[in-house]
Amino acid sequence: DTGVSQDPRHKITKRGQNVTFRCDPISEHNRLYWYRQTLGQGPEFLTYFQNEAQLEKSRLLSDRFSAERPKGSFSTLEIQRTEQGDSAMYLCASSVDRVHYGYTFGSGTRLTVV
Amino acid sequence: QKEVEQDPGPLSVPEGAIVSLNCTYSNSAFQYFMWYRQYSRKGPELLMYTYSSGNKEDGRFTAQVDKSSKYISLFIRDSQPSDSATYLCAMMDSSYKLIFGSGTRLLVRP
Repeated sequence: DTGVSQDPRHKITKRGQNVTFRCDPISEHNRLYWYRQTLGQGPEFLTYFQNEAQLEKSRLLSDRFSAERPKGSFSTLEIQRTEQGDSAMYLCASSVDRVHYGYTFGSGTRLTVV
Repeated sequence: QKEVEQDPGPLSVPEGAIVSLNCTYSNSAFQYFMWYRQYSRKGPELLMYTYSSGNKEDGRFTAQVDKSSKYISLFIRDSQPSDSATYLCAMMDSSYKLIFGSGTRLLVRP
């Protein structure tokens, strides 16, 4: 399978716990994006990487959120001290640099904070 | 006001109907426009993309962009129950980020 892979698919955690999600992009894609999607809404941009460099972060990305992409391959998104408002689908996408035809999304990680 | 506005629906049509889905946007700098389809609990899947104003056709799908009105449309001909999904419009900004609408839920009744 050469698509974008995300792990885990589902995560249930207690409020206040830390969680980490992983994204494996399509191998030849140097751009990697994280989006968040809540029920009934479209995906909202969180951050993106070009290779290993994190080039932009949304104001939605509070200090409790951190993302990394070591060596420009897979990426992790960590949420510290989770809150119920963090419950959402976290989507990862990848693309080659500066393409205008959109990106390829993974199936997402659904986070439920109880 | 959101940069991209999209009627959330739901839109319910009988099988075989022509479906029209629409979005409006406020940023006149947008040049690239996409439509994604998202099935329940799945990631969005790219359906079509267009550049600037004009039409683009791919099988049963036609995308239209009217930059003067800041309005884009997706038409689905001969709709099928398998077309039942949420349809997301998206626009690409100058840093190649996608800005999405909230999605329109479509139900095609057999």
